[in-house]
Amino acid sequence: GEDVEQSLFLSVREGDSSVINCTYTDSSSTYLYWYKQEPGAGLQLLTYIFSNMDMKQDQRLTVLLNKKDKHLSLRIADTQTGDSAIYFCAASGGSYIPTFGRGTSLIVHP
Amino acid sequence: EAQVTQNPRYLITVTGKKLTVTCSQNMNHEYMSWYRQDPGLGLRQIYYSMNVEVTDKGDVPEGYKVSRKEKRNFPLILESPSPNQTSLYFCASRGPGGELFFGEGSRLTVL
Repeated sequence: GEDVEQSLFLSVREGDSSVINCTYTDSSSTYLYWYKQEPGAGLQLLTYIFSNMDMKQDQRLTVLLNKKDKHLSLRIADTQTGDSAIYFCAASGGSYIPTFGRGTSLIVHP
Repeated sequence: EAQVTQNPRYLITVTGKKLTVTCSQNMNHEYMSWYRQDPGLGLRQIYYSMNVEVTDKGDVPEGYKVSRKEKRNFPLILESPSPNQTSLYFCASRGPGGELFFGEGSRLTVL
């Protein structure tokens, strides 16, 4: 089955860019998602990209997809303390049942 | 407001005492799922349901039961809880674009 890997921690300074990386194993994955989990809350969809796209930009967020390497990244420009959260990468194919990575804890310090 | 509602949000119980965590969604979604979240392990799927009366095991179903008698409700049942089921539980439903809508979570402690 699908396996999704991401690093567990990332620490950045406020105002810098953050880049969270994710790799997946199933080349037939069609939908790739980024979810954000703030402390004490459930996950919320942040953004997503279809496998026929290379890049998607939404305000401060940029998602890059390298389908050949099965690598997904999320870039947050001008990172703020409010961006501190756990970010989950998820991949799904035709069944629409996503497989989640373990989550990357983003810590933003002044 | 579109939402997924779980109850209880917090529960402390003892080994062997049956409990049910309820989940309800008001978006008319067909697909619903239960996850548990543990430090360092991320989200692991317990059970899912593609529609009413259709349920399937996820990655970690042992010790859990579910039912789907109505589209809006998907309760998680722990018949005989054990300490290794101490965890943070999330219910989710899936929208038409494949995105998941999560509840706020239920933190369960089994002593």
